[in-house]
Amino acid sequence: DSGVTQTPKHLITATGQRVTLRCSPRSGDLSVYWYQQSLDQGLQFLIQYYNGEERAKGNILERFSAQQFPDLHSELNLSSLELGDSALYFCASSVGKGVTYEQYFGPGTRLTVT
Amino acid sequence: AQSVTQPDIHITVSEGASLELRCNYSYGATPYLFWYVQSPGQGLQLLLKYFSGDTLVQGIKGFEAEFKRSQSSFNLRKPSVHWSDAAEYFCAVGAPSNQGGKLIFGQGTELSVKP
Repeated sequence: DSGVTQTPKHLITATGQRVTLRCSPRSGDLSVYWYQQSLDQGLQFLIQYYNGEERAKGNILERFSAQQFPDLHSELNLSSLELGDSALYFCASSVGKGVTYEQYFGPGTRLTVT
Repeated sequence: AQSVTQPDIHITVSEGASLELRCNYSYGATPYLFWYVQSPGQGLQLLLKYFSGDTLVQGIKGFEAEFKRSQSSFNLRKPSVHWSDAAEYFCAVGAPSNQGGKLIFGQGTELSVKP
C-alpha cells in the first residue's frame, strides 16, 4: 500500500458525460501528479500540482482539468468524454516538486467510456 | 525531446533463470533514470533509480540496473527470477527541472515466468 488513495476504483460512463476522479496523497506529500495509461498511448504524464499550484503540464487535453485543494487532495475533471478517453488514470504523490523525489502511485481509477 | 524505448514488449523466462530487460533513453544531459514495476491491478512501484555516481544501482526485490552513457541504456537485471516477478516493467526518465517532476515512461515490458 503506497498510501495514495484514489476514488472511485472503476467508473463507467457514456460519451459526452463529465466525471471527476479524486486523489488523496500520502501524508506530508505536497506534490500530486496525474498520469493516464492506455493501450495505444502507454503511460503519459498529464499534470502536476505542488502545494496547490500547477507545477508542470503534459499533453493534457483542453477537456481535462485538475486542481489541488488546500488539504492537498486533488481532483481530475474529464468532460465531453470520448471513447478514446477510456484508460487507467493514476495519481502519484511526492514530498517535493522535482523529479528526484520518489513518486508513490495510487492503485488507479479505471474509466470506461461507452 | 526526451524519450524512452523498451524494445521488448513481452519476455518469458523460466523460474530461476536470469533476466535482463532493456531500456534505451534519449536525453540531452545526464538523465535521471527509473525502473518501476506494475503488478496486475496495482499501481506502479519504484524498483530503483539512478541520478549520478556508481553506474550499477541496486534496488528492491533483488533487482539491479546498469547505466551506460555510451549506449544510452539503463538495463534492468535479476540473477534468478521468481514466479512473483511476473508483472509489467516500466523504464522512465525524469524531465528537466524546469518541467517539474514529470516522468517520461517507455511502453513497458511484460514479464511472464514459466514454472
